[in-house]
Amino acid sequence: DTGVSQNPRHKITKRGQNVTFRCDPISEHNRLYWYRQTLGQGPEFLTYFQNEAQLEKSRLLSDRFSAERPKGSFSTLEIQRTEQGDSAMYLCASSSDREGYYGYTFGSGTRLTVV
Amino acid sequence: GQQLNQSPQSMFIQEGEDVSMNCTSSSIFNTWLWYKQDPGEGPVLLIALYKAGELTSNGRLTAQFGITRKDSFLNISASIPSDVGIYFCAGRGGSGGGADGLTFGKGTHLIIQP
Repeated sequence: DTGVSQNPRHKITKRGQNVTFRCDPISEHNRLYWYRQTLGQGPEFLTYFQNEAQLEKSRLLSDRFSAERPKGSFSTLEIQRTEQGDSAMYLCASSSDREGYYGYTFGSGTRLTVV
Repeated sequence: GQQLNQSPQSMFIQEGEDVSMNCTSSSIFNTWLWYKQDPGEGPVLLIALYKAGELTSNGRLTAQFGITRKDSFLNISASIPSDVGIYFCAGRGGSGGGADGLTFGKGTHLIIQP
């Protein structure tokens, strides 16, 4: 297992377009998290899944943002009608109940640029 | 919402010097974490603290969970060039409640001059 995998690493899109990012967690991890990180800031929590259930989504930035984890394995984060303010790094992390925070592993992120 | 105040914002030090950075919050947290992030990568966990007053070391790194549960510090002894990067504190749980996500500070940018 090579850790948390995120694709694509970079995405440039025109304002108004929809974008979708994928996250493949560490295989035995049942929890999956999405964060957004803007320049000069720490990561900002967006949502999380335990298996396929989305247990927290109130922190999603607007109704243009949605996330899914249909089979409890990989997850997708979609942003509809992108705006320039959506330009940021989108980070995924995964963890398991057994490992505690030392198993809470981040991916390398998807950098989104909206032009 | 909960916010973490991390200081200093940046540090310019000589190789071999000790480094100290801290994080404070207006709310209590049940867990404090310290991460390091290199350019173009995700954060990597350095130390996790689970109890108020806990002092934990990881090699040249030492971190403490404040007894009020509203602060934490990270010390790095005898800095080396590979310590360069951005260090983040993060907290989980406490009075904000609910989400399993982490609240991060804005980071301390460590720059080491040889």
